[in-house]
Amino acid sequence: GENVEQHPSTLSVQEGDSAVIKCTYSDSASNYFPWYKQELGKGPQLIIDIRSNVGEKKDQRIAVTLNKTAKHFSLHITETQPEDSAVYFCAASIGTDFNKFYFGSGTKLNVKP
Amino acid sequence: DARVTQTPRHKVTEMGQEVTMRCQPILGHNTVFWYRQTMMQGLELLAYFRNRAPLDDSGMPKDRFSAEMPDATLATLKIQPSEPRDSAVYFCASGLGSQETQYFGPGTRLLVL
Repeated sequence: GENVEQHPSTLSVQEGDSAVIKCTYSDSASNYFPWYKQELGKGPQLIIDIRSNVGEKKDQRIAVTLNKTAKHFSLHITETQPEDSAVYFCAASIGTDFNKFYFGSGTKLNVKP
Repeated sequence: DARVTQTPRHKVTEMGQEVTMRCQPILGHNTVFWYRQTMMQGLELLAYFRNRAPLDDSGMPKDRFSAEMPDATLATLKIQPSEPRDSAVYFCASGLGSQETQYFGPGTRLLVL
């Protein structure tokens, strides 16, 4: 199977609601998990990341949780705004090589005003 | 505002032609990555360099692709000869070797007819 699976592929929410994107990974040695936001016509931009020694990390409206036992991690966006609309990618380091990632297939988030 | 720059932003060429894409990493960053993004395959790492030396090019088709760093401010990715299946968006990213964060450029959208 895929090294990183990401769900859902598309997500539509009303402005102000929360959005949750989930990823699972298979490499038990992965120890770094970044999330990227990609707007149309632009390159991916890191929005938050988490390391394997931490279970949760928060930055304003964005939070990431990691369950190493179950090998899954999630992105939570609260109080969504139209400018949050983009494609979001999760990634997991290939083993302990923090320069190489397995990327998820992406989630297209649409925040309706 | 430090950022990765890539040229050209768009390239249309005919099968068999040589294509050269250029990247200027963020000043001071010693690690440079080349990615390819397609709808079918998602984001794929082609190669990366640290301190101008190639560390990994296992993701790159060796017969037609080549990547170099002539100096610390310029990375190039060449395709010769190009084929229609090379049509994709090619991203360059840079980072500091001791940290995981990668900063992506805006990409070169390549179309090979």
